[in-house]
Amino acid sequence: EPEVTQTPSHQVTQMGQEVILRCVPISNHLYFYWYRQILGQKVEFLVSFYNNEISEKSEIFDDQFSVERPDGSNFTLKIRSTKLEDSAMYFCASSGVSGGPRAYEQYFGPGTRLTVT
Amino acid sequence: QQQVKQSPQSLIVQKGGISIINCAYENTAFDYFPWYQQFPGKGPALLIAIRPDVSEKKEGRFTISFNKSAKQFSLHIMDSQPGDSATYFCAARRDAGNNRKLIWGLGTSLAVNP
Repeated sequence: EPEVTQTPSHQVTQMGQEVILRCVPISNHLYFYWYRQILGQKVEFLVSFYNNEISEKSEIFDDQFSVERPDGSNFTLKIRSTKLEDSAMYFCASSGVSGGPRAYEQYFGPGTRLTVT
Repeated sequence: QQQVKQSPQSLIVQKGGISIINCAYENTAFDYFPWYQQFPGKGPALLIAIRPDVSEKKEGRFTISFNKSAKQFSLHIMDSQPGDSATYFCAARRDAGNNRKLIWGLGTSLAVNP
């Protein structure tokens, strides 16, 4: 069964450094999402991406964040200058548009644990 | 208005028992309500979902009950098994448009004792 993959599984970085989190969505999917989960807290929406542009972004997704689909297969989240409070698990998700009850269902990757020190 | 409230935060059930997790939402524009199961170190995986045109949906041992007027929905796990021990998240979203972002509950940590 196709799955969403994410790399790295764990990233440790120093405050102020740039990080790029990578995701490979399911190949025929068209909608892409990033969510994050701070330890012990709820999963929060960051951004959605469709047709090579951002559909919606949350207030968390400020100017320090950007997303890109550089080559038609990868979907990346960049944090330009990391802060301590960016430490979280970041999940990528993708969804397709095929008909049936699972249309638009979001499939999640295993996550990247980002630790900012 | 975007919140989804989930309870309880944690739940301990004996093997064979029924696990019940409740969620409530505020935004009446939500029209798709999934439940996700998450094991440690893994991403959330869709377990079962319901749309508001039905009041109940059953898949195997998992049932969603939906009360549109009360803006509440719940997950029932029948004959709970130790392998069901995981964190369960309810979520809600709109089922239209180019952004179908999920709004999540806080999660329920379920432990099923053998």
